[in-house]
Amino acid sequence: GNSVTQMEGPVTLSEEAFLTINCTYTATGYPSLFWYVQYPGEGLQLLLKATKADDKGSNKGFEATYRKETTSFHLEKGSVQVSDSAVYFCALASNTGKLIFGQGTTLQVKP
Amino acid sequence: DAGVIQSPRHEVTEMGQEVTLRCKLISGHNSLFWYRQTMMRGLELLIYFNNNVPIDDSGMPEDRFSAKMPNASFSTLKIQPSEPRDSAVYFCASSLDEGSSGLFFGSGTQLSVL
Repeated sequence: GNSVTQMEGPVTLSEEAFLTINCTYTATGYPSLFWYVQYPGEGLQLLLKATKADDKGSNKGFEATYRKETTSFHLEKGSVQVSDSAVYFCALASNTGKLIFGQGTTLQVKP
Repeated sequence: DAGVIQSPRHEVTEMGQEVTLRCKLISGHNSLFWYRQTMMRGLELLIYFNNNVPIDDSGMPEDRFSAKMPNASFSTLKIQPSEPRDSAVYFCASSLDEGSSGLFFGSGTQLSVL
C-alpha cells in the first residue's frame, strides 16, 4: 500500500544552519508529493509540492525534489531561522485522491 | 477568502455528552476532509467528501462518530456519546480536486473529554 516515512525528530539546529529532513515514500503509480508545515496551535499549511518526477517544489527558501529512482522527497533549506521552528509533514496524494501523511518531524531552531 | 473556518476552537465536555464540530469550506472547493491529530497516533484521516458525497469513511473510529455535509460549503462531525479517548485536535481541510493539488486546513478544534 501507499505510505510515507520521515526521519524521526526532533531536529535541533542553530540559526543559519543547513536543514535536511528526509522523506521516502511507497506508492503505486506516480503520486503527487507535498510538504506541509504546522506552527504551534495552528493547522497544517501547504509549504510546497511536486507533481512528477524530477520536479522541484520551492517556497520561502525551502526546496524538495521529486526523486523517482530513490522514491524520496527530502526537504532542504540553506539557512534556517528561529521562525522556521515547527512540525514538518511529508505527504503523498494517492491515485484515489487520499492524502497520506508521514508522522511529522519537529524542527527546533535555536538563536 | 477567509480560509477554512472551524468552530469551536476549544471544546471541553464530560464523558457521555454529544459533541458537534463545525467546518466551513473555502468557497469553490468541492472536497472536504476531517482529520484527527494526537501525539500517539499523529494525523489520522477520518472521512472525506467529494461534491457532498462521502467517499471514504474507513477512518471513522466507530459508530459514535458521524459526519455530514448538508450543503456544499458546510460540514459537521458529531461524536455521540463522547469518551475521554476522543480527546484530540480535530482538523477539517478543503480542496478543489480531492486533494491532488493540496489541502487547505482550518485551525482545528481542541477537544477535551473529561
